[in-house]
Amino acid sequence: SQTIHQWPATLVQPVGSPLSLECTVEGTSNPNLYWYRQAAGRGLQLLFYSVGIGQISSEVPQNLSASRPQDRQFILSSKKLLLSDSGFYLCATDTGNEQYFGPGTRLTVT
Amino acid sequence: KQEVTQIPAALSVPEGENLVLNCSFTDSAIYNLQWFRQDPGKGLTSLLLIQSSQREQTSGRLNASLDKSSGRSTLYIAASQPGDSATYLCAVRYAGGTSYGKLTFGQGTILTVHP
Repeated sequence: SQTIHQWPATLVQPVGSPLSLECTVEGTSNPNLYWYRQAAGRGLQLLFYSVGIGQISSEVPQNLSASRPQDRQFILSSKKLLLSDSGFYLCATDTGNEQYFGPGTRLTVT
Repeated sequence: KQEVTQIPAALSVPEGENLVLNCSFTDSAIYNLQWFRQDPGKGLTSLLLIQSSQREQTSGRLNASLDKSSGRSTLYIAASQPGDSATYLCAVRYAGGTSYGKLTFGQGTILTVHP
């Protein structure tokens, strides 16, 4: 079965600073990869998905970007963080029809 | 717009009770429905997956049903325990010609089981 790693686990960053969150997946090859955000008082929202290396699709316009430099690596980035970027970021993959989530990164923008 | 709604938003029950969590969705053209559990500050743990062609799935004390025609799913938890306390999330994957599995989530039900 696959294992999803995310780091860092928590992050506190000032407004205007850059961001890089990393997700790696073990136990599967050529996975579909997803970035979700869970903001306080709001449900989980899909931000980006990728079906292969270098293939990124964005679900919502925002201050963030994603990249997939390797088959099992998914990176979420920002050049300048906004207060509204605070939230819990979750990486996910799917095996067949079932979707699995990583442990998440708690981002607080101050 | 595809929407997923969960009722109730919060539920508090004594240990040992059987309980039902509800999930409704606006578009019946779903591919599958997945129930998750989330503990505070943690990621999501998949509990049950129901394909659109299935009526129910069972795992231990958990039973999930699906009624596509009415746009509803229920998660039944038998003989609840304090360790069941968590947020339960319902997520729907809609059918379509895409190659990815975007999930649309409900807001969740916060369950507290007290001894």
